[in-house]
Amino acid sequence: DTAVSQTPKYLVTQMGNDKSIKCEQNLGHDTMYWYKQDSKKFLKIMFSYNNKELIINETVPNRFSPKSPDKAHLNLHINSLELGDSAVYFCASSVQGEKLFFGSGTQLSVL
Amino acid sequence: AQRVTQPEKLLSVFKGAPVELKCNYSYSGSPELFWYVQYSRQRLQLLLRHISRESIKGFTADLNKGETSFHLKKPFAQEEDSAMYYCALKASGTYKYIFGTGTRLKVLA
Repeated sequence: DTAVSQTPKYLVTQMGNDKSIKCEQNLGHDTMYWYKQDSKKFLKIMFSYNNKELIINETVPNRFSPKSPDKAHLNLHINSLELGDSAVYFCASSVQGEKLFFGSGTQLSVL
Repeated sequence: AQRVTQPEKLLSVFKGAPVELKCNYSYSGSPELFWYVQYSRQRLQLLLRHISRESIKGFTADLNKGETSFHLKKPFAQEEDSAMYYCALKASGTYKYIFGTGTRLKVLA
């Protein structure tokens, strides 16, 4: 059983398109995160939800909008994709902000 | 502002040699420090945390508040230690993890 799963694993799309990445965790955790890993492998936090409430919202363009329909899911919707959005996006979950469990990542390529 | 610095992007050592991956942090409060590791084709996972004071896969890390460092050490590197290592800081009482830029460790045969 995969603890934190993301779909899709790969996403190739054109500039200007809108796309979504989905994340689900079956660990019963109360906190979920989105991280962006750029081409230099730098991991930067984007958002975090605790019990469906947004608790971390870093300096991210408004084109990025997270949605948490329930504690087990955190989706990321991106509008008007740009070349600079190309990266690997990681979902993670934890209990009360403790040890992070990561998904396997979604590699987004914007052409 | 919270910051984590890993000065080495790439560290190459020979099998059996000691290894030290450096991590320095900037935080005015009481931090929680972690090391996460990403092996090839695997997801990022926790290696160890300073409050556990444990050794995982032969690795240890000591929090030095005076030097604001949390270096990761192993006395004898193994080829299977080759991976990407991230140092991370979490401010006490928060849910926010700040990661360093990562160090790729290559252990040569």
